[in-house]
Amino acid sequence: DSGVTQTPKHLITATGQRVTLRCSPRSGDLSVYWYQQSLDQGLQFLIQYYNGEERAKGNILERFSAQQFPDLHSELNLSSLELGDSALYFCASSVDPSSYNEQFFGPGTRLTVL
Amino acid sequence: QQPVQSPQAVILREGEDAVINCSSSKALYSVHWYRQKHGEAPVFLMILLKGGEQKGHDKISASFNEKKQQSSLYLTASQLSYSGTYFCGTESNAGGTSYGKLTFGQGTILTVHP
Repeated sequence: DSGVTQTPKHLITATGQRVTLRCSPRSGDLSVYWYQQSLDQGLQFLIQYYNGEERAKGNILERFSAQQFPDLHSELNLSSLELGDSALYFCASSVDPSSYNEQFFGPGTRLTVL
Repeated sequence: QQPVQSPQAVILREGEDAVINCSSSKALYSVHWYRQKHGEAPVFLMILLKGGEQKGHDKISASFNEKKQQSSLYLTASQLSYSGTYFCGTESNAGGTSYGKLTFGQGTILTVHP
């Protein structure tokens, strides 16, 4: 158990809908990362937050947005869902954004868009 | 651009050794190695920084050739528990600022048989 929690574990929804994925980092970690893992694209970095502020952005679609709240939990919002958004979404956390800190991954949320 | 891992897959018997390589076309600041078992979250193995610093587990070793932008993960005396998919995550040094923003390779599937 990495200490990172993600809810829900599974999510099944229809195209065009909007969903919110939630992540609570390990106690003491200030940085949160979101990743998307699909069979054809592998593990893709989406976005990173540090202490409430956006720090780095990856290949995140405009239909996706995220935020980190004062209590450090983070939410990833996915809207106008398409079939291709079906994937495993991981949240990871680290003490801070330094390259020397390992990232601890949560169990993931499996999103299925029908 | 995504780093390239080789081999794509390797099959071992317990006690055998393996080397997994990770190669990038960009100048690298750090390389992170993770192992993911089927249906689970990636788990941290090693971090290697430009300049020689590294952090990780005692039983796993790795190297980082900065000039060639390559890293190798060495798995010796393999155990059944080593089975899984190994990912390297690379970070390019953008103006001296590091964010821990990782670009992952496509993964190497390692299977260890009794």
